[in-house]
Amino acid sequence: GAVVSQHPSRVICKSGTSVKIECRSLDFQATTMFWYRQFPKKSLMLMATSNEGSKATYEQGVEKDKFLINHASLTLSTLTVTSAHPEDSSFYICSAGSRDRSSYEQYFGPGTRLTVT
Amino acid sequence: GQQLNQSPQSMFIQEGEDVSMNCTSSSIFNTWLWYKQDPGEGPVLLIALYKAGELTSNGRLTAQFGITRKDSFLNISASIPSDVGIYFCAGQTTDSWGKLQFGAGTQVVVTP
Repeated sequence: GAVVSQHPSRVICKSGTSVKIECRSLDFQATTMFWYRQFPKKSLMLMATSNEGSKATYEQGVEKDKFLINHASLTLSTLTVTSAHPEDSSFYICSAGSRDRSSYEQYFGPGTRLTVT
Repeated sequence: GQQLNQSPQSMFIQEGEDVSMNCTSSSIFNTWLWYKQDPGEGPVLLIALYKAGELTSNGRLTAQFGITRKDSFLNISASIPSDVGIYFCAGQTTDSWGKLQFGAGTQVVVTP
């Protein structure tokens, strides 16, 4: 399967600061990337859909000014958690898919554990 | 987003036993995907199903796309300790390319 990486794998930040998480598709060009949030022992919750070269589409209830998404190239999408607060602490996972490959085999990154103190 | 109904929530089995889990939905899906997630890791794709009635195997794993397109099951035969983890089903509808709806997950625990 395709390889998707995330960086950093873990990050601890102070309340009020911003954190950027990178998601890269290493062996294919991803026209679309997805950002998920996962709470302990819970399923994945889709936050937004990120299309290369256009604005992200956010799911209902997700603050777009809080969670800034940029998809500047076919291999990189970034999620910036702005003015982070302890309630933003979570496991953030990205996934990547492409219309040039099977559109149904969505591949996930290893996740980023964010802890806001 | 909306979740599928996945059951059972957890399973405690002995090594060598078979495992079966399923997902149902009120919506029709054009794709079913099954993932395994280990603690602190992202989900790993196990099997992808594209056609109603399709039965697909991947080693000791077998999954089927239900005829009604509203359900799918995953079987694991002859379980081994490394099968421990959380298994998620995910479905995609025709009007939402790439957007997956996830089940709540089935936690599998295998004892020697």
